[in-house]
Amino acid sequence: NAGVTQTPKFQVLKTGQSMTLQCAQDMNHNSMYWYRQDPGMGLRLIYYSASEGTTDKGEVPNGYNVSRLNKREFSLRLESAAPSQTSVYFCASRITDNTQYFGPGTRLTVL
Amino acid sequence: QKEVEQNSGPLSVPEGAIASLNCTYSDRVSQSFFWYRQYSGKSPELIMSIYSNGDKEDGRFTAQLNKASQYVSLLIRDSQPSDSATYLCAVGPIGTNAGKSTFGDGTTLTVKP
Repeated sequence: NAGVTQTPKFQVLKTGQSMTLQCAQDMNHNSMYWYRQDPGMGLRLIYYSASEGTTDKGEVPNGYNVSRLNKREFSLRLESAAPSQTSVYFCASRITDNTQYFGPGTRLTVL
Repeated sequence: QKEVEQNSGPLSVPEGAIASLNCTYSDRVSQSFFWYRQYSGKSPELIMSIYSNGDKEDGRFTAQLNKASQYVSLLIRDSQPSDSATYLCAVGPIGTNAGKSTFGDGTTLTVKP
C-alpha cells in the first residue's frame, strides 16, 4: 500500500497562473481532505469530501476548487494563484474512527 | 481567541525527562481529541486519540482529557531525542462531521541528549 500520495512535491507559480494538486489514496477510505499549513502554524482545512460525489467547504476555501474524481482521487485547483497561497498543502484520508492519514505534502510558492 | 490553543514553545527537556504538552479548546461540544506528531519537513502522523474524560496510555505517551475544563494534554515519559518534533493538538466532532478537526498551531519539542 502506498497510502496517500500527492503530486507534485514542489511547485513554483507566478501570480495569476493556475494549477491542480493531485491526491490519491489506496486504502479505500470514504473521506478525503485538503489542508494548508503556513510556517509556524497548524493545519487549516480548505475543502473536504465525506464520500465520493460530495464536497464541502472548510475553514479557508476562497481561491480554491476541488474535484472528487472517484473514491481514490481528490484534486485541488488554484484557478488564479496569489502570493497568499504560498504554503504547504497536505491531502489526507480518513477511516471511520477519525484517524486521518496524511500525504507527504506539496510545497507551493507563488511569486 | 483561537479555537484551539497550545502552549507556546519551544519546549526543551533533557533526555529521560517527562515532556508535558498542553492544549485548550473553546468549543464545548467537541467530542474527539487528537495529538499528531510532525517532524520537520514531514507530514503529521497520529500518535494519540482520546474521546472520554480521563487518561489514555499508549507506551510512553499518555493523553489526558478534561472536558469540563476544556483541556487536553499529552505527556511523554522517558523522552528521547527521537521525540523532538512539533506536536499538533486537534479537536473536533464525531458523527457526520467527523474529520473536520480544528488544529492548534503546534508546540515544538526538543529533547536534548
